[in-house]
Amino acid sequence: QKEVEQNSGPLSVPEGAIASLNCTYSDRVSQSFFWYRQYSGKSPELIMSIYSNGDKEDGRFTAQLNKASQYVSLLIRDSQPSDSATYLCAVNADRLFLEGGSQGNLIFGKGTKLSVKP
Amino acid sequence: DTGVSQDPRHKITKRGQNVTFRCDPISEHNRLYWYRQTLGQGPEFLTYFQNEAQLEKSRLLSDRFSAERPKGSFSTLEIQRTEQGDSAMYLCASSDGPNNEQFFGPGTRLTVL
Repeated sequence: QKEVEQNSGPLSVPEGAIASLNCTYSDRVSQSFFWYRQYSGKSPELIMSIYSNGDKEDGRFTAQLNKASQYVSLLIRDSQPSDSATYLCAVNADRLFLEGGSQGNLIFGKGTKLSVKP
Repeated sequence: DTGVSQDPRHKITKRGQNVTFRCDPISEHNRLYWYRQTLGQGPEFLTYFQNEAQLEKSRLLSDRFSAERPKGSFSTLEIQRTEQGDSAMYLCASSDGPNNEQFFGPGTRLTVL
């Protein structure tokens, strides 16, 4: 059973601080990793994707991937109250990437609820 | 708006009734996914299509659930003889390209009384 684990939180940080969200996954051959942001009552919104070991930065967001440790994280710099949401980690479940591209469903963690206090 | 759209946004039904949801993916996205999400959980995969072919179905998808994508464009998800346990947010996502970034629609919230 492929699993994605996240600390459910809530994680509370003051405005302007760095929020660090963590995720571990069980399937060693997973190759595609995604972070989604979900506001209460809304659908998930893709904010970051990462495929290679190391860091990937996009504005205030940095995704970090360590395949050896089966660990992916999301850092949010200069956190704002508008960042308060649930952050979902997702891993591509399909192994067809070996044949030239990923497809198939994503496996999601339960999400970490982030609260940024003004 | 060229994002994923879903209809209806909310559905309240009585136990035992049939319901059907529609999803229109992002134009030209050839992969379409259905997920279900309950409170406090991440989305759970139900089924997915590549063009009109249904390639995979989750064990969560009981015989009461059926999905179609007849022309490789929009998709429908039907639930027959609804049960209270079917109450959830039903999410549709679409993707294209080798990295399989999936973009979600606004969801259909189902309440079974």
